[in-house]
Amino acid sequence: KQEVTQIPAALSVPEGENLVLNCSFTDSAIYNLQWFRQDPGKGLTSLLLIQSSQREQTSGRLNASLDKSSGRSTLYIAASQPGDSATYLCAVRHRGGSEKLVFGKGTKLTVNP
Amino acid sequence: ETGVTQTPRHLVMGMTNKKSLKCEQHLGHNAMYWYKQSAKKPLELMFVYNFKEQTENNSVPSRFSPECPNSSHLFLHLHTLQPEDSALYLCASSPSPGAGNIQYFGAGTRLSVL
Repeated sequence: KQEVTQIPAALSVPEGENLVLNCSFTDSAIYNLQWFRQDPGKGLTSLLLIQSSQREQTSGRLNASLDKSSGRSTLYIAASQPGDSATYLCAVRHRGGSEKLVFGKGTKLTVNP
Repeated sequence: ETGVTQTPRHLVMGMTNKKSLKCEQHLGHNAMYWYKQSAKKPLELMFVYNFKEQTENNSVPSRFSPECPNSSHLFLHLHTLQPEDSALYLCASSPSPGAGNIQYFGAGTRLSVL
């Protein structure tokens, strides 16, 4: 059974800092991995999707890496801003045709001005 | 706005009530999903619909009854719920159920069962 773990559960940093969020998964037979952002009172927004054959994806100040063999992904946020404050969720889609995304519990990020 | 609208945003119901959650997408997508997000638990997939047909039921209790009359609308009918069913219920859609397609989420319905 696939399990996704995100560390840390919460993180508070001053504005301008570079930071790394971690995600690990137990079964490396994944199709892809996604990072989402969830703001209070709002739904999820997809940030980056990495296919199993890829090593990393970049979008603006965000960079996500994937090491499938070790079951790990990181989300790097450069020059953090207060507007980055949100909960960041990692989810993997298992190979085999299921539509099921297996989510971690998330990391709650607070960027202080 | 993601193009996926959920109503109501908040719902309080007793265990003997019957209520329905509604989801509507304006993205022209063919696949729709219901997820449950409980406090301190990961987001869990409940149901998947593709072209109005249910393709996945993730062992959801029968007190949750989904309905998909067309590709743009998805309902979740609720009856005789338990307090532990209190959670944020999220709807999502994607162009198709293909694994490479990104799912677009609504803002959710916060459900409290008393």
